[in-house]
Amino acid sequence: IVMTQSPDSLAVSLGERATINCKSSQSVFYSSNNKNYLAWYQQKPGQPPKLLIYWASAREFGVPDRFSGSGSGTDFTLTISSLQAEDVAVYYCQQYYTTPDTFGQGTKLEIK
Amino acid sequence: EVQLVQSGAEVKKPGESLKISCKGSGYSFTSYWIGWVRRMPGKGLEWMGVIYPGDSDTRYSPSFQGQVTISADKSISTAYLQWSSLKASDTAMYYCARLTGTSAWPYYFDYWGQGTLVTVAS
Repeated sequence: IVMTQSPDSLAVSLGERATINCKSSQSVFYSSNNKNYLAWYQQKPGQPPKLLIYWASAREFGVPDRFSGSGSGTDFTLTISSLQAEDVAVYYCQQYYTTPDTFGQGTKLEIK
Repeated sequence: EVQLVQSGAEVKKPGESLKISCKGSGYSFTSYWIGWVRRMPGKGLEWMGVIYPGDSDTRYSPSFQGQVTISADKSISTAYLQWSSLKASDTAMYYCARLTGTSAWPYYFDYWGQGTLVTVAS
């Protein structure tokens, strides 16, 4: 499954909304349990990736509620409702519906 | 507290072999998948493969099948990634990470190691 993120880079003003899109080449929705096998990660410079969202919309414990995930099937979105300086990072989506799992190419988020 | 601690940075020559490690603690090592992810300089994340230490079920991305070997020693809660003959193109940061999921189906990565930088140069 090929994962394609858009845009490749994004500059947003502090306090404004940031939206990152992720499209899969085939559906990652598993009807048997009604779940989308899609996760989002944040990677800051010099750090390992950090899990933000799993099952497309479930926020990992400790992740601020300004981060939210939505979408189903092949089209997904990560939204940061009010950008903070510490959100500067590269963001990746990942499908775990089928092996090999695959990541999107990443979206670099900066402050405008 | 769940922790994954990786071995230190390596500098190797082309053709040399290498084995890097990832030691898990704070959880039942045999009950979770462990995976390896590559990040080449200036590039994105690549899923290399995973192993379930409970039964040694191992799955590789086709891109890495035959290029690396993933293994685990459950007696010391440690997973490994090894190369028999390194190439310059193997220069990258390698992360291990724990996956949630069932014994048959690995899901997403929930805890990550700090990364091991591998540099291959003549």
